[in-house]
Amino acid sequence: DTGVSQNPRHKITKRGQNVTFRCDPISEHNRLYWYRQTLGQGPEFLTYFQNEAQLEKSRLLSDRFSAERPKGSFSTLEIQRTEQGDSAMYLCASSRTDGTEAFFGQGTRLTVV
Amino acid sequence: GQQLNQSPQSMFIQEGEDVSMNCTSSSIFNTWLWYKQDPGEGPVLLIALYKAGELTSNGRLTAQFGITRKDSFLNISASIPSDVGIYFCAGYKRGSNYKLTFGKGTLLTVNP
Repeated sequence: DTGVSQNPRHKITKRGQNVTFRCDPISEHNRLYWYRQTLGQGPEFLTYFQNEAQLEKSRLLSDRFSAERPKGSFSTLEIQRTEQGDSAMYLCASSRTDGTEAFFGQGTRLTVV
Repeated sequence: GQQLNQSPQSMFIQEGEDVSMNCTSSSIFNTWLWYKQDPGEGPVLLIALYKAGELTSNGRLTAQFGITRKDSFLNISASIPSDVGIYFCAGYKRGSNYKLTFGKGTLLTVNP
């Protein structure tokens, strides 16, 4: 399978705990994106990387959120001190440099209890 | 926040019927993408549109890039039960080739 891969698929955590998600993009794609989707809504942009450089962060990405893409390959999204409002589907996508067709992974469903 | 108005919000149709849905915005978009999402899964890309007026097909799906560059349409012909899901329009606004803006989706239910 050469699609975008995300792990874990599901995560249940207690409020206040830290969580980390991983995304492996399509191998030849230079761009990697993180989106968040809540129930009944379309995905909303969080941040994106061009190779290893993080070039844009949404205002949705509070200081409790941090994303990395070391070596320009896989990426991680960490949420510190989780809150119930962080419960959502976190989606990763990748595309070629021209940023047109973005392909999404299966997502990580986070539930904060 | 999201700036794409997608309609209808939901549709209930009989198997074999054709379906139309659309997406409008007050902003100009350079690219329109249509995705389908099944419950608990990520969106799957169906069709990409790059030029105003462009009409593109993918099997029973046909999508058009509106000539004003502020809207797009998706048609599904001869619907089948596996067409059930949420269809999202998404686009790159002029001046941004990295941040997709999504609509809220159209929930399609197909009765066999």
